[in-house]
Amino acid sequence: GAGVSQTPSNKVTEKGKYVELRCDPISGHTALYWYRQSLGQGPEFLIYFQGTGAADDSGLPNDRFFAVRPEGSVSTLKIQRTERGDSAVYLCASSLGQGPYYEQYFGPGTRLTVT
Amino acid sequence: ELKVEQNPLFLSMQEGKNYTIYCNYSTTSDRLYWYRQDPGKSLESLFVLLSNGAVKQEGRLMASLDTKARLSTLHITAAVHDLSATYFCAVLGGRGSNYKLTFGKGTLLTVNP
Repeated sequence: GAGVSQTPSNKVTEKGKYVELRCDPISGHTALYWYRQSLGQGPEFLIYFQGTGAADDSGLPNDRFFAVRPEGSVSTLKIQRTERGDSAVYLCASSLGQGPYYEQYFGPGTRLTVT
Repeated sequence: ELKVEQNPLFLSMQEGKNYTIYCNYSTTSDRLYWYRQDPGKSLESLFVLLSNGAVKQEGRLMASLDTKARLSTLHITAAVHDLSATYFCAVLGGRGSNYKLTFGKGTLLTVNP
């Protein structure tokens, strides 16, 4: 079956611009997560959705970052006024449910480069 | 705050040799995962360890968990070039955040012929 998909796979943008990154979770998965992986580091948690609502957005670095999941399926991570420090791979994951019994399945990521 | 430390961060091995990667974490956790990541690719789940004393093996890789010591190991037996990749351990957050994975910095493994 289809896994988690993310678009675009690569995004190059200029400093100060606005970007949107899209995540399509596995069909039927109610939980969705965004992580950010900077060069040479492990992924870091950004935000978690259960259904349509953001259950935990404590990992978002500042108010330039925002994510939505309006219909409980596809999610969009939005970054305003991008900065060079935002350059990273943004990973999306989904799971069938919430909690320790449900494994998170990761997508291929979107590599964001801010010039 | 949950912290996860891996060592070594870089590991260069010869084919046929054995080695162990260590993962320490700071607080009680429900689960520990090991992932593999090839350059430019996403994370591939290798093992999930649930309880103290858990041991899992797949091919040349064996993972174990000691929850009392808050330590997991990934042992590589008779390494082959195809095992070259970055390996991450990740710990599922404790009470109140049992959906959040906290990752180590990763171990870049290079297996030389």
